[in-house]
Amino acid sequence: GAVVSQHPSRVICKSGTSVKIECRSLDFQATTMFWYRQFPKQSLMLMATSNEGSKATYEQGVEKDKFLINHASLTLSTLTVTSAHPEDSSFYICSARDGGTEQFFGPGTRLTVL
Amino acid sequence: RKEVEQDPGPFNVPEGATVAFNCTYSNSASQSFFWYRQDCRKEPKLLMSVYSSGNEDGRFTAQLNRASQYISLLIRDSKLSDSATYLCVVNIYSNSGYALNFGKGTSLLVTP
Repeated sequence: GAVVSQHPSRVICKSGTSVKIECRSLDFQATTMFWYRQFPKQSLMLMATSNEGSKATYEQGVEKDKFLINHASLTLSTLTVTSAHPEDSSFYICSARDGGTEQFFGPGTRLTVL
Repeated sequence: RKEVEQDPGPFNVPEGATVAFNCTYSNSASQSFFWYRQDCRKEPKLLMSVYSSGNEDGRFTAQLNRASQYISLLIRDSKLSDSATYLCVVNIYSNSGYALNFGKGTSLLVTP
């Protein structure tokens, strides 16, 4: 149980395009979902926390207009990187929590912006 | 000062060796503590929670010292499959609710 999927697993796009990443909890209802970003040899950095049906809470330094988060249902959250640039290239990982304290991580999405 | 600090390593050890990783955290209001394992280009996976009384799971032993804000992980009888990055993680309650703070990780390479 407690499986989280992400799609796509890898995406390569041109600078200036927008990319949408989906995060799904497959066998539980996720009241809260988290989006992280990890640059090479760096720690996972929390970008934002989203609760179903409400606006996401962004961490300091994360542009809410650039990283659009939608948590429309208890099993799906999406992260859209708008007008992506090469510096947005990173490993994006979501996690989901059902009401408890443990977070279950998705397999991550590797974004490369050319 | 970073919230969670770890020695990045790498730790290169032979099979069968015992290796210890340390971690310090800065926020005394931290609620819970974990060690995660992350393989290259993969998501982190929970290895074990860490309790003040210390806890053991097979070859892995974790310790927490709240007074010193220090966490440790001991791996006995290292296997080749233990090669990975070990992340020290602290759960902190903030304005946005509970959030995990990750260390940069300590890299372990177990060699034949």
